[in-house]
Order: sequence, then C-alpha cells, then structure tokens
Amino acid sequence: KQEVTQIPAALSVPEGENLVLNCSFTDSAIYNLQWFRQDPGKGLTSLLLIQSSQREQTSGRLNASLDKSSGRSTLYIAASQPGDSATYLCAAPGGGKLIFGQGTELSVKP
Amino acid sequence: NAGVTQTPKFRVLKTGQSMTLLCAQDMNHEYMYWYRQDPGMGLRLIHYSVGEGTTAKGEVPDGYNVSRLKKQNFLLGLESAAPSQTSVYFCASKKGLAGTGELFFGEGSRLTVL
Repeated sequence: KQEVTQIPAALSVPEGENLVLNCSFTDSAIYNLQWFRQDPGKGLTSLLLIQSSQREQTSGRLNASLDKSSGRSTLYIAASQPGDSATYLCAAPGGGKLIFGQGTELSVKP
Repeated sequence: NAGVTQTPKFRVLKTGQSMTLLCAQDMNHEYMYWYRQDPGMGLRLIHYSVGEGTTAKGEVPDGYNVSRLKKQNFLLGLESAAPSQTSVYFCASKKGLAGTGELFFGEGSRLTVL
C-alpha cells in the first residue's frame, strides 16, 4: 500500500533563501509523482509532474527531483519570495489512484 | 479554458437534508475524482470514475453517492447530510491510465452541516 510522507509539516524562511521540501513514498513502482501548491481557501494547483523516466523537472524557480530507488522526491525553490507562501503537497500513484502527503506549510518572511 | 468547475462554492445544510455537488471539466478527461479535505486529515478520496457511466468507491465513500452520466460531469450526492460531512470538497480530473497523467483540481466547495 502506497504511503506518502512530507517532512517538515511547516517551514518558515526569510525572503531570498533557497529551500528544499521533502516527499517520501513507500511503493517505488510509480509512473510519476506530482507536486501541488495550495493557497488558503483555494484548490490545488499543479506545479510539476515528474515522469518515472525523468530525474528532474524544472519550472521557473522550481525544480523537482525524483529518486525511485530511495523512494524520495524533493522540491527545490530558489530565491524564495513572500508570494511562495502556501502549502505544498506531493502525490504518488497507488492502487490506481493518487495518494497525497499531508503537505508542508511554507511561510516566507519579507 | 475553464478547466475544472465546481458548483456551488459554498452551502449550508441542516442535518438530514440532501444536496448535490456538481463537477464539470472541459478537458475531455476520462478520470474524475471527489476528495474531501479536513484539518489534520489531509485529502481523502471519496469516489472516483474511470469513464462515462462508471463509478468506484474510494477511501471514505459512506454517506455519499456519485454519478457520471456524461463524460464531462461528475456529481456527488449527500442523501442525508450529517455534521461529520462538514468539509471542503474538491473535484479533480485527469487524462490517461490509472497512475499516469497530470491531475487538475477545482476550486473547492465548502459545505457546512448544522
């Protein structure tokens, strides 16, 4: 059974800092892994989708990596900004469905 | 391009009342999902559909029913609402086989049951 864990649950950093969010999954037989952003009171916005054949995927200041052998994915945010403050969730396939982590709540202080 | 649209966005019900949440997607996606999100519980899958005319139970299906009569619409029904169903409900859709493809979410429907 797929289980997805995100550590830490919350993170506070000063503006401009580079940071890494972690995602672990137990079943490495996955097609892909997806990262989402959720702002308070809003839905989830897809940030990056990494296919199992890829090691990294980049979008602007965001870079996501996938290591199936270790069951880990990381989301790297460069030069963080207050507008990056949100909850970040990762999701991995399991049993034909997407299994979500609990999320990391990020706060970027000006 | 509207993507995934949920209606209504907010609703207050009394215990025992019934209601239906509508999810519509304009991306010609095969797969559609209903999740609920509660503090400390994360996202939990209620029901899902792998194509028009099909539905399947997710992690927390009790107290809910769904229908997928048209490919673009996925309805979530509460026959007799209970306070435990107070939550934010999200619809999502994707194209492709199970386990593949990018998942897109609606903005959510906030339901309060008194």
